[in-house]
Amino acid sequence: GAVVSQHPSWVICKSGTSVKIECRSLDFQATTMFWYRQFPKQSLMLMATSNEGSKATYEQGVEKDKFLINHASLTLSTLTVTSAHPEDSSFYICSADGQGGLAGGLGETQYFGPGTRLLVL
Amino acid sequence: AQKVTQAQTEISVVEKEDVTLDCVYETRDTTYYLFWYKQPPSGELVFLIRRNSFDEQNEISGRYSWNFQKSTSSFNFTITASQVVDSAVYFCALSEAGSGGSNYKLTFGKGTLLTVNP
Repeated sequence: GAVVSQHPSWVICKSGTSVKIECRSLDFQATTMFWYRQFPKQSLMLMATSNEGSKATYEQGVEKDKFLINHASLTLSTLTVTSAHPEDSSFYICSADGQGGLAGGLGETQYFGPGTRLLVL
Repeated sequence: AQKVTQAQTEISVVEKEDVTLDCVYETRDTTYYLFWYKQPPSGELVFLIRRNSFDEQNEISGRYSWNFQKSTSSFNFTITASQVVDSAVYFCALSEAGSGGSNYKLTFGKGTLLTVNP
């Protein structure tokens, strides 16, 4: 249980293009999903918190117009990097709050997807 | 503000040695959760354990054990008889309980890179 998938697992794109990353909770419903980015040999940095059916809450310093987040259902959130630039190259990881739907004390625990490696040329 | 400190940046051990990864946290909340995650080279974060602030019982799961001490604000992780497959970055994290358990945020430590050599 508590499986989160991400697609694509890696993507290479040209500067100026937009890239969409999907995050899905496969066997549970996730009211809340989170998006992180991680630079090499560094810790995870929270970018935004995404609640189903409402606008995402962005962390300070994260451009909401550049990183568009949509959480249209209880099992899917998407992150779109608009007009990507080389400095946006990073490892993007989503997580889902396991509070909804499953027994066994999954609440208040974030389960992470496998991540998406983005390289902008 | 919450803070998690993992003072050990890198640890290298030989297979079968025991190793302890340290984690010290700061929070003003009385209710909070502590976590350990493993990040192997593939990048995926694997959930290992969650402990809430009211449960100071130590836990053992196979070769893994955790020592939670509120008096020293520490939540240390020990791997017994380490194996090469244990090589990974290990993150300690802290979250507030939040309202209804939702919209809480994880504060991560900087991680400890564990290398287990054969």
